[in-house]
Amino acid sequence: AQSVTQLDSQVPVFEEAPVELRCNYSSSVSVYLFWYVQYPNQGLQLLLKYLSGSTLVKGINGFEAEFNKSQTSFHLRKPSVHISDTAEYFCAVILYNTDKLIFGTGTRLQVFP
Amino acid sequence: DGGITQSPKYLFRKEGQNVTLSCEQNLNHDAMYWYRQDPGQGLRLIYYSQIVNDFQKGDIAEGYSVSREKKESFPLTVTSAQKNPTAFYLCASSSVPGQPQHFGDGTRLSIL
Repeated sequence: AQSVTQLDSQVPVFEEAPVELRCNYSSSVSVYLFWYVQYPNQGLQLLLKYLSGSTLVKGINGFEAEFNKSQTSFHLRKPSVHISDTAEYFCAVILYNTDKLIFGTGTRLQVFP
Repeated sequence: DGGITQSPKYLFRKEGQNVTLSCEQNLNHDAMYWYRQDPGQGLRLIYYSQIVNDFQKGDIAEGYSVSREKKESFPLTVTSAQKNPTAFYLCASSSVPGQPQHFGDGTRLSIL
């Protein structure tokens, strides 16, 4: 069965420090990969996506992620975080040629001054 | 600007009552979705619709019903059969399979 694992439920970090949010998936078929951000009491906003091509994907707000097929990972990174990056981050996959998003359980990023 | 509008933002339900959550989109997307979000569990798919007058059950459809009479609208009814309805409900849409889904700002449902 396909699944998405976000190993860290919470990640505390100081402002201007780098951060990595981890995401691993399991699937026997090709997938598309996504990261979403959710601010309190709001919907989800797409940060970045990997459909094909270069494995290093750049998104909005200075975030980037790297697709590693051999390790079935899609970790999200930012070299220097801001207080405004405090939010919940969700990794998600769509199986190739389907339209059902499978979400991880989310990682809460807390940025401290 | 195009987007997805969910209403109301907050909703309260009495025991034994059905309530309907509204979702409207002006993105001209064919597919629409309803998700339920509980703390620590991510998002779970309730129902989805690829075209008008057609919809499929997701992973947790019991106690919910939907309709898709217009391309722009995909209302969700939480019936009295749903014993634990307190959650944050998110509506989403997409243009084609495999494309990212756009989300509304959600409706928070609570039990009185």
